[in-house]
Amino acid sequence: GAVVSQHPSWVICKSGTSVKIECRSLDFQATTMFWYRQFPKQSLMLMATSNEGSKATYEQGVEKDKFLINHASLTLSTLTVTSAHPEDSSFYICSAPAQGGQGYQPQHFGDGTRLSIL
Amino acid sequence: SQQGEEDPQALSIQEGENATMNCSYKTSINNLQWYRQNSGRGLVHLILIRSNEREKHSGRLRVTLDTSKKSSSLLITASRAADTASYFCATAQGAQKLVFGQGTRLTINP
Repeated sequence: GAVVSQHPSWVICKSGTSVKIECRSLDFQATTMFWYRQFPKQSLMLMATSNEGSKATYEQGVEKDKFLINHASLTLSTLTVTSAHPEDSSFYICSAPAQGGQGYQPQHFGDGTRLSIL
Repeated sequence: SQQGEEDPQALSIQEGENATMNCSYKTSINNLQWYRQNSGRGLVHLILIRSNEREKHSGRLRVTLDTSKKSSSLLITASRAADTASYFCATAQGAQKLVFGQGTRLTINP
């Protein structure tokens, strides 16, 4: 079946480093992808909607310059956490609508990236 | 964004028992979906119920939706240890995105 691949699964780096996370749709095209952030024992908070060929749509309170999103192809979206600091440490998850559908349709999720900033 | 409320926040039952989780939301919806998340992993879609549906089944899962009360429930029958996970409801508000509830952490004791 359709799968979303997210890489890397775990990152530990020093404060001030920029970290790039990739989200790929396998076997299907995704014109839209979503990026979430999840703190321990909490729900998913939508950060932004990644749109292929155009600018991402950020949720209120999410810094665009901090969390750079690029959706350069129909199967790849990237999230770059720029100049990461300890407060950016979290679990980041991407998703894509099944069969390239709309945001309200079932989502395929990546396995998440655990980011730890020292 | 408005997130749904789920209860209970945590549920621990014995294997073989039924588990019921509830979800309430605040706005009108297109559909409501339930997802499962194993610890440290991404979410897996379980079932979708449309706003004009009242009940839906999938294997050991039964979902109900009451739009007048803005609430939904997920029932897992004959629970198994492998059902241990967090379960989230998500509401589709318009065509753009899903809004997730706070989740229920389910533990099935062997």
